[in-house]
Amino acid sequence: NAGVTQTPKFQVLKTGQSMTLQCAQDMNHEYMSWYRQDPGMGLRLIHYSVGAGITDQGEVPNGYNVSRSTTEDFPLRLLSAAPSQTSVYFCASYLTGTGLGRTEAFFGQGTRLTVV
Amino acid sequence: KQEVTQIPAALSVPEGENLVLNCSFTDSAIYNLQWFRQDPGKGLTSLLLIQSSQREQTSGRLNASLDKSSGRSTLYIAASQPGDSATYLCACGANNLFFGTGTRLTVIP
Repeated sequence: NAGVTQTPKFQVLKTGQSMTLQCAQDMNHEYMSWYRQDPGMGLRLIHYSVGAGITDQGEVPNGYNVSRSTTEDFPLRLLSAAPSQTSVYFCASYLTGTGLGRTEAFFGQGTRLTVV
Repeated sequence: KQEVTQIPAALSVPEGENLVLNCSFTDSAIYNLQWFRQDPGKGLTSLLLIQSSQREQTSGRLNASLDKSSGRSTLYIAASQPGDSATYLCACGANNLFFGTGTRLTVIP
């Protein structure tokens, strides 16, 4: 069982470049989300999706775009990278709307992004 | 917005000691609370999930409790080992998960 898979693991970008961070899950989870983790600030929610075709903004959405065309995939796009986007990015997935509410959340191994 | 706080930010204990990590949250309208472990440079590993209707959950040497009325959860680690050294994160919320900044635990051999 692969769980949540993120690619790439590491990336260096120049200011102004664009890129897409990939996230895929094989657990048929309808809820997927992206977080960034910065020293001293914990994990902050960037964007999330409650199902294919439905996305919404989290706490820190500026500079990022998302789309959800399938249940399995939830890519995060950086349109014009800035040094402030240097961070570690995590993707998560779980089920919601069950009788017990949200199920256990699973996380990918992260993408370490440096913008120079 | 849910605010999650973890105290202490760092903790150092000798091997074999029992310890408690604390997590507090401001909004009791949570579905459940989850504790994670994160090793340096690695991802998040789920340790325990407590449903909002539960008071505690146990896995091996770990025991997590939840008190929604006071907005608190604790993670109890029994007989700590050097391999327990890591950052421990708690997260809770309704549909979205909100995280504390974690407690960095060091267990000294």
